[in-house]
Amino acid sequence: DQQVKQNSPSLSVQEGRISILNCDYTNSMFDYFLWYKKYPAEGPTFLISISSIKDKNEDGRFTVFLNKSAKHLSLHIVPSQPGDSAVYFCAASYSSASKIIFGSGTRLSIRP
Amino acid sequence: GAGVSQTPSNKVTEKGKYVELRCDPISGHTALYWYRQSLGQGPEFLIYFQGTGAADDSGLPNDRFFAVRPEGSVSTLKIQRTERGDSAVYLCASSLTLGEDSPLHFGNGTRLTVT
Repeated sequence: DQQVKQNSPSLSVQEGRISILNCDYTNSMFDYFLWYKKYPAEGPTFLISISSIKDKNEDGRFTVFLNKSAKHLSLHIVPSQPGDSAVYFCAASYSSASKIIFGSGTRLSIRP
Repeated sequence: GAGVSQTPSNKVTEKGKYVELRCDPISGHTALYWYRQSLGQGPEFLIYFQGTGAADDSGLPNDRFFAVRPEGSVSTLKIQRTERGDSAVYLCASSLTLGEDSPLHFGNGTRLTVT
């Protein structure tokens, strides 16, 4: 069963506009959420995270929002830049088990 | 500084053969993870180590898969009697400790192809 779901396999956004990537989860025990970014032929790199005690975390152009009641989180990138074109993975874990569960990813393309 | 290093970067083997995949974590990182990524999917958890011991091996698909980390640094993922379904990119990651303030740092992976 897929505990972390990214239902949009791809997203295309114009440069300078906002990119919104969505993620849903099913396990209510998850208390820590992360976003990773992946370029071709490279491993994923950590982007931003949020603890379940918060509903928003911001780092420069990147903001993650968490809606625990809906078991939903989103990553906002604004303004979008060409270098943001990559695959974005949503991931989750819970404190009593340190393994991190990943979603299937969303391929973001920033068009000029 | 040096990141997580995985060797080989590519491995082609015949069905039924044995393979070993190596991971050199970032120096000083106590936690080490193995993931597997198939085409169009996200990384799938296999096993993680805290120090020398496997803290959680619940993701290993079957007993053909085994991983070791004898000195708490380098780890080797071992696959016996390989099958075509084992073809994937095997990712290794390390973190300074366990927990929220210690994100995973991934290597570039080993692409395993079983013919």
